[in-house]
Amino acid sequence: AQSVSQHNHHVILSEAASLELGCNYSYGGTVNLFWYVQYPGQHLQLLLKYFSGDPLVKGIKGFEAEFIKSKFSFNLRKPSVQWSDTAEYFCAVNAQDAGNMLTFGGGTRLMVKP
Amino acid sequence: EPEVTQTPSHQVTQMGQEVILRCVPISNHLYFYWYRQILGQKVEFLVSFYNNEISEKSEIFDDQFSVERPDGSNFTLKIRSTKLEDSAMYFCASSELVVNSPLHFGNGTRLTVT
Repeated sequence: AQSVSQHNHHVILSEAASLELGCNYSYGGTVNLFWYVQYPGQHLQLLLKYFSGDPLVKGIKGFEAEFIKSKFSFNLRKPSVQWSDTAEYFCAVNAQDAGNMLTFGGGTRLMVKP
Repeated sequence: EPEVTQTPSHQVTQMGQEVILRCVPISNHLYFYWYRQILGQKVEFLVSFYNNEISEKSEIFDDQFSVERPDGSNFTLKIRSTKLEDSAMYFCASSELVVNSPLHFGNGTRLTVT
């Protein structure tokens, strides 16, 4: 079975600071990788996904993530955060031989101070 | 953009009562899911559903849970006899394909069992 770890539970940044949120997974097979964001009071929204190909994927709102297979990592980055990025961020994985069933990390709450 | 909608947004029930959580998936999606998040814990997979059958279910999804697609639009999760530990946020999701297809989530139903 897969598992996903997000190392930072809470992150506080000032506007314009750079962001990197860590995500590591454990699974021996081929995976799809996702980052979801949940703004206060809203649903989980897909930020970006990796299925195959270029390990550096770009998502919405200036976010990107890099899949490093050797490190089992899929860290989320943004060069300059805005106050509106305040949200909870979830890394998720699904095994490619297991349909679309997602395993989520514990989430990281990001607060961006204006 | 099409959305997954869930009702109610908040449900309070007494222990032992039955509850039905409702979801309307995106109209051209064929695969449906329920996840839950107990306060302070990870988002956990409960069940996936396709073609009027359960495709996968987790160990959480025991005999007190059931899912149904009673008509062409709704997808429901029933908990027959609620327990205190069923208190959680329940998320419905849908996807277009069975593999390599991102899940689209609803806003969730917060279930409180007293």
